[in-house]
Amino acid sequence: DVKVTQSSRYLVKRTGEKVFLECVQDMDHENMFWYRQDPGLGLRLIYFSYDVKMKEKGDIPEGYSVSREKKERFSLILESASTNQTSMYLCASSLTAQGGIAKNIQYFGAGTRLSVL
Amino acid sequence: ELKVEQNPLFLSMQEGKNYTIYCNYSTTSDRLYWYRQDPGKSLESLFVLLSNGAVKQEGRLMASLDTKARLSTLHITAAVHDLSATYFCAVDPRGWRSGNTGKLIFGQGTTLQVKP
Repeated sequence: DVKVTQSSRYLVKRTGEKVFLECVQDMDHENMFWYRQDPGLGLRLIYFSYDVKMKEKGDIPEGYSVSREKKERFSLILESASTNQTSMYLCASSLTAQGGIAKNIQYFGAGTRLSVL
Repeated sequence: ELKVEQNPLFLSMQEGKNYTIYCNYSTTSDRLYWYRQDPGKSLESLFVLLSNGAVKQEGRLMASLDTKARLSTLHITAAVHDLSATYFCAVDPRGWRSGNTGKLIFGQGTTLQVKP
């Protein structure tokens, strides 16, 4: 079974703190993603990575950065946490679809509920 | 900009009834995904629909894809309380032919509440 592990289920941080959210997958997936989920807004893509050291902005990258130094690990960084970053953060990973071989299914971690006070 | 819209966003239904959730998207795509999220938990893959006319069924849930209409449906037959969850559809914006980075565009989610 694919396993995507997020380091924390719940986090409480103070405004202005630097926050690291870690995600590790054990299936050698090329692609990794960070989303935030807010009521009524569905999932919004923050950043994604399709290879080690490669990253692309998603729909809402402002206030966030990412790091992917190893294939299995994708970190989301809040440079200076703000109250509007209070949310559920979901990490996901997938295999690259080439010629229809892989189905491009994203597998999700359990989520990190972050509260910024 | 690719948009994925689900309808309805909230659905309350009695056990034993049938209903359909609709997922419309705004650009061509031949890959569509349905996910389920239980309260307080993460998303789990339900169905992957890879071509026009694709139909997948598991238990009381059946998903279909019409790429010409840019529409997928998730049909619930004889609902039971255990189906209460939030259901998301997601679209692959580029498809496998062009190669892609795996990015998916998600709908807003439909929260289903099945009452005994």
